[in-house]
Amino acid sequence: QVQLQESGPGLVEPSGTLSLTCNVSGGSITSGSYYWSWIRQPAGKGLEWIGRIFIGGSTNYNPSLKSRITISGDTSKDQFFLKMRSVTAADTAVYYCARGRGHDAEELDSWGQGTLVTVSS
Amino acid sequence: DIQMTQSPSSLSASVGDRVIITCRASQSISTSLNWYQQKAGKAPSLLIYGAYNLQIGVPSRFSGSGFGTDFTLTISALQPTDFATYFCQQTYNNVLAFGGGTTVEIK
Repeated sequence: QVQLQESGPGLVEPSGTLSLTCNVSGGSITSGSYYWSWIRQPAGKGLEWIGRIFIGGSTNYNPSLKSRITISGDTSKDQFFLKMRSVTAADTAVYYCARGRGHDAEELDSWGQGTLVTVSS
Repeated sequence: DIQMTQSPSSLSASVGDRVIITCRASQSISTSLNWYQQKAGKAPSLLIYGAYNLQIGVPSRFSGSGFGTDFTLTISALQPTDFATYFCQQTYNNVLAFGGGTTVEIK
């Protein structure tokens, strides 16, 4: 059974760059027809979809974040990444990585436990 | 972009109650609608995909229905483990979006 685990700094300074890694275990990110996604959730609020990457390299991003984010992957390490530039306090949230089925309903069927990122000086 | 609106934003119910949560899309999304459950302090988990397909391992008291713009998640007889927040998600286009969530609380 596939497992996902987020990692990265828990504290980022305002105007800095948030960098997160999602490690995938129990399966290769190149196997099957899946995409790999990032989602965030500010404390006490709802889920916000950030973006996704298909292995093959194509990406889709939330238009409200598109100018500041890059999602990439390393198939040799079964990892994918999120970089978010010019962060502000509004980017403080729990960040989740998740696997999505790459066809039909495209549902997110496996999630990491989430990692809290705080933007503060 | 497609907007997803859930109602109610919260509800109070008792064990054994039938609970219905609705999700409305700002344009037709066919059956590209998924439901997730999130318990406090935990990651969301998939309940229903493709509007009405039950994810493996999810109890049969959960069911989904709808097509186009209007969808419902029904819990036929609420159990203590069902007190949580529920989110819908559309996957119709390449800009995926979640609804605002519905919190089911103990009455």
